[in-house]
Amino acid sequence: DAGVIQSPRHEVTEMGQEVTLRCKPISGHDYLFWYRQTMMRGLELLIYFNNNVPIDDSGMPEDRFSAKMPNASFSTLKIQPSEPRDSAVYFCASSLSGAREGYTFGSGTRLTVV
Amino acid sequence: GEDVEQSLFLSVREGDSSVINCTYTDSSSTYLYWYKQEPGAGLQLLTYIFSNMDMKQDQRLTVLLNKKDKHLSLRIADTQTGDSAIYFCAESTSYNNNDMRFGAGTRLTVKP
Repeated sequence: DAGVIQSPRHEVTEMGQEVTLRCKPISGHDYLFWYRQTMMRGLELLIYFNNNVPIDDSGMPEDRFSAKMPNASFSTLKIQPSEPRDSAVYFCASSLSGAREGYTFGSGTRLTVV
Repeated sequence: GEDVEQSLFLSVREGDSSVINCTYTDSSSTYLYWYKQEPGAGLQLLTYIFSNMDMKQDQRLTVLLNKKDKHLSLRIADTQTGDSAIYFCAESTSYNNNDMRFGAGTRLTVKP
């Protein structure tokens, strides 16, 4: 298995632009998680899905952030409009059974908003 | 909220043992994990332990859990330069085992 695949690896955008991050989970995993990592705040859970349904989005910072999972093999995290404080590494992770046996993380997308 | 705490830095000599410590506050923690993050990469699950266990060993890795003190440690025997990375402790609870809480990570530097 190729693991959790995220694209792009790096994204540089101007403030106010729309940014879309993509994730392909491991086939057969029915949980998908979006995390954000910054030096100041560490790893923060933004949202997670179970069987393509959003279960907990309480970590989404504000209405500028939205996430979708149209099918079992694809998810997007969108920021519109983007701001410099959104600069971070965004990770997608998937798992077969929730947290029980841990998550498999993608390599992340490093977002820089200038 | 509930916290997971780790020291931020650890430096050891190649061939020595490394011990990375973690404390957590949620007494409902059911699963505890160690992840490794190398530069430019995602987190890689190293090992996990259930709260009804005291110890788990996997090759050079030994996890010790003191549930009374809410203390978790990861010992790496014969530490190599390739072990240099950030190590994250994490926990999840029985009431919501779809949510994992991470510590800030310990940066392990292995000197030749």
